[in-house]
Amino acid sequence: SQKIEQNSEALNIQEGKTATLTCNYTNYSPAYLQWYRQDPGRGPVFLLLIRENEKEKRKERLKVTFDTTLKQSLFHITASQPADSATYLCALDTGGFKTIFGAGTRLFVKA
Amino acid sequence: NAGVTQTPKFRVLKTGQSMTLLCAQDMNHEYMYWYRQDPGMGLRLIHYSVGEGTTAKGEVPDGYNVSRLKKQNFLLGLESAAPSQTSVYFCASSTRQFATNEKLFFGSGTQLSVL
Repeated sequence: SQKIEQNSEALNIQEGKTATLTCNYTNYSPAYLQWYRQDPGRGPVFLLLIRENEKEKRKERLKVTFDTTLKQSLFHITASQPADSATYLCALDTGGFKTIFGAGTRLFVKA
Repeated sequence: NAGVTQTPKFRVLKTGQSMTLLCAQDMNHEYMYWYRQDPGMGLRLIHYSVGEGTTAKGEVPDGYNVSRLKKQNFLLGLESAAPSQTSVYFCASSTRQFATNEKLFFGSGTQLSVL
């Protein structure tokens, strides 16, 4: 069955550094991939969507890459801030009307 | 503009009891979804709906039923709650453009404990 893998270990970085989160998937070729942010006790909030024919997408301090050969997406936060501390979820379409999610990676940004 | 609203926010049930989780969206979205989130497992799709009067099974539908009588509402029912259904439940909605799904809008979740 298809799987989405994200680092289960938390990522700790210093303020001002670039955070890089990884999303790997198997057994599927999604038409697009999404990244969401989730804060404790809240629902996920959409950040970025990247399509299979796009290699890179940027939004302010966020950058997402999508390598369909490696079956991997990288999510970068540049000039990270303590307010960026949250869990980040990777999601991909499975065809039809369904989106599946990875378990997420917790990011801690220290001041 | 409230977005996606879920009620209740917290609920404790005894094994065998039933309940209904309510989800309402005010964005005129066609698609609505129910997910559950468990530690280390990510969000798993329970049921979804592609329009008023339609429902379909997701990845983990057993023990749940849903109804979409009105476009803006999507109800999730537990007929006989089990401890394995202890989880955080999220409702989401989305619109559809160019025959592909766009981003999901999530509610704030319902924390359900079954004792």
